Amino acid sequence: DAGVIQSPRHEVTEMGQEVTLRCKPISGHDYLFWYRQTMMRGLELLIYFNNNVPIDDSGMPEDRFSAKMPNASFSTLKIQPSEPRDSAVYFCASSRAGGLYEQYFGPGTRLTVT
Amino acid sequence: SQKIEQNSEALNIQEGKTATLTCNYTNYSPAYLQWYRQDPGRGPVFLLLIRENEKEKRKERLKVTFDTTLKQSLFHITASQPADSATYLCALESARQLTFGSGTQLTVLP
Repeated sequence: DAGVIQSPRHEVTEMGQEVTLRCKPISGHDYLFWYRQTMMRGLELLIYFNNNVPIDDSGMPEDRFSAKMPNASFSTLKIQPSEPRDSAVYFCASSRAGGLYEQYFGPGTRLTVT
Repeated sequence: SQKIEQNSEALNIQEGKTATLTCNYTNYSPAYLQWYRQDPGRGPVFLLLIRENEKEKRKERLKVTFDTTLKQSLFHITASQPADSATYLCALESARQLTFGSGTQLTVLP
């Protein structure tokens, strides 16, 4: 199994630009999570999906952030417009049953907004 | 408010010794608690899960305890090795989500 796949691994963009992060979960996992990690705030849950349906997006910082999961094998996290404070490492994770089982994390996307 | 605290941001120990990491929490009643390892530039990797009705869980050189009265979990690595150097994160389950602590950076000195 290839594990959770994220792309791109690194993204550098200018303030105001749209950024799209992509994730392919492990096949058979029905939960998908998007996290953001910074030195100041640690690892924070942004949103999670169950069977492609968004369940809790209370961690999404503001309307500039949106996430979709059009099918079981693909999810996107979009930031529009991006701001320097969005600079962080964004992780996607998948699991078989939410918090009841271990989560498998992707390698992350390091986003830098200048 | 809910809070998760992991002891000291950094912990240095000598090779061969037992490392003990602490995770304390307030205003949570988790049914599960998990521990993850994170290496620089990589995503967290699952290590152990312990349920609220389990006092202790072991896996090779790793041992986790879970005291719901003290609201504390201890994570032990016995016979530590330099390869164990990493950041260790505890994570509490709540409403089918995980909330992570800030982590403890462990360095095992040869």
